[in-house]
Amino acid sequence: GNSVTQMEGPVTLSEEAFLTINCTYTATGYPSLFWYVQYPGEGLQLLLKATKADDKGSNKGFEATYRKETTSFHLEKGSVQVSDSAVYFCALSDTGTYKYIFGTGTRLKVLA
Amino acid sequence: EAGVAQSPRYKIIEKRQSVAFWCNPISGHATLYWYQQILGQGPKLLIQFQNNGVVDDSQLPKDRFSAERLKGVDSTLKIQPAKLEDSAVYLCASSLVSGGPGETQYFGPGTRLLVL
Repeated sequence: GNSVTQMEGPVTLSEEAFLTINCTYTATGYPSLFWYVQYPGEGLQLLLKATKADDKGSNKGFEATYRKETTSFHLEKGSVQVSDSAVYFCALSDTGTYKYIFGTGTRLKVLA
Repeated sequence: EAGVAQSPRYKIIEKRQSVAFWCNPISGHATLYWYQQILGQGPKLLIQFQNNGVVDDSQLPKDRFSAERLKGVDSTLKIQPAKLEDSAVYLCASSLVSGGPGETQYFGPGTRLLVL
């Protein structure tokens, strides 16, 4: 079945460091891919998405590129801030049913 | 634009008791989802409604969980009787159309349930 695998956390970085959170997926067809962010005490918010191979999603300095050949959608940011501390979820939208399947989440802690 | 509203935000009950959660989606959104998020895991879909019809309830434990969406707007999720393993955050989400490719889901703040 379809699945999403994320790197385990927590990831702890100093402010202004470079961030990469790895995400790989298993799916038939061409799913849409998403990154959602969950701040403490809040629901999930869409961070960015890509709907076809080689698309790059970007928002708030975060980027991710849909790589069909490596079945990956890694999240990157050039310079993190303390306010980026949150849990990040990678997800795919199943081809056909469009049901979301989430990874287990990666907690990011950014230290001042 | 108002977001997805959920209540209560927190609930503590004893096992075998019943509990209900309420969700009001974004105005005009046809599709409504209930997810269960156990600590340390990603959200898992319990049930999906389109308007007031059920699209997918394959992951809903129907012996104890029930959900309804009357008039295609608000929705309630009920657990009766609750078990310890039901302790989780219950998230409601909505989307504009019918869950098509690349469609964004908008999430509420969730209800955190603790079963003692």
